[in-house]
Amino acid sequence: KAGVTQTPRYLIKTRGQQVTLSCSPISGHRSVSWYQQTPGQGLQFLFEYFSETQRNKGNFPGRFSGRQFSNSRSEMNVSTLELGDSALYLCASSLWTSGGGLPYEQYFGPGTRLTVT
Amino acid sequence: KNEVEQSPQNLTAQEGEFITINCSYSVGISALHWLQQHPGGGIVSLFMLSSGKKKHGRLIATINIQEKHSSLHITASHPRDSAVYICAANTGNQFYFGTGTSLTVIP
Repeated sequence: KAGVTQTPRYLIKTRGQQVTLSCSPISGHRSVSWYQQTPGQGLQFLFEYFSETQRNKGNFPGRFSGRQFSNSRSEMNVSTLELGDSALYLCASSLWTSGGGLPYEQYFGPGTRLTVT
Repeated sequence: KNEVEQSPQNLTAQEGEFITINCSYSVGISALHWLQQHPGGGIVSLFMLSSGKKKHGRLIATINIQEKHSSLHITASHPRDSAVYICAANTGNQFYFGTGTSLTVIP
């Protein structure tokens, strides 16, 4: 089974621009979560999508948004980029959402490294 | 306020040593996850624990739900174990992550 894929792997953008990152989950997985990793803040939860609906959201401004398609692929968008948005963005897929009280294993993609100049 | 605290931050060990990494959390969880991250960024999930103890090869993870504490043990450490180990508290609604333990195993 193919793993989680993320595109692009590397991206350089200018402050004020917007960016869209893509995540394709493992086949059959319905939940996709997004995370931001920076040297200063470490790993932080952005949001989770399940069955095309945002289930949960971390403590990030509205400039960070996402969506999920019917084939479970997900995209994340950051508008009006700031220098502080430079980070490794990771997505992870799981078979189902943990929101029902039953936890599910997370499978991480390789990440997209975004640099904002 | 840090929902998840990990220690130590950095750890250097000689090959063959027994290693312990600790994780304390303050939130209610549906599971506690241990992750491994190698240079370059890729993250691998090592364990998902709701209670008790799990073992994969030389790695053992334990959790004490009452004390809100988990430990990751590596027996007979090897240079290929060098990586950052991160614990994550899964509340069912979101994940809270520890700051990671950077492990270096010297031959």
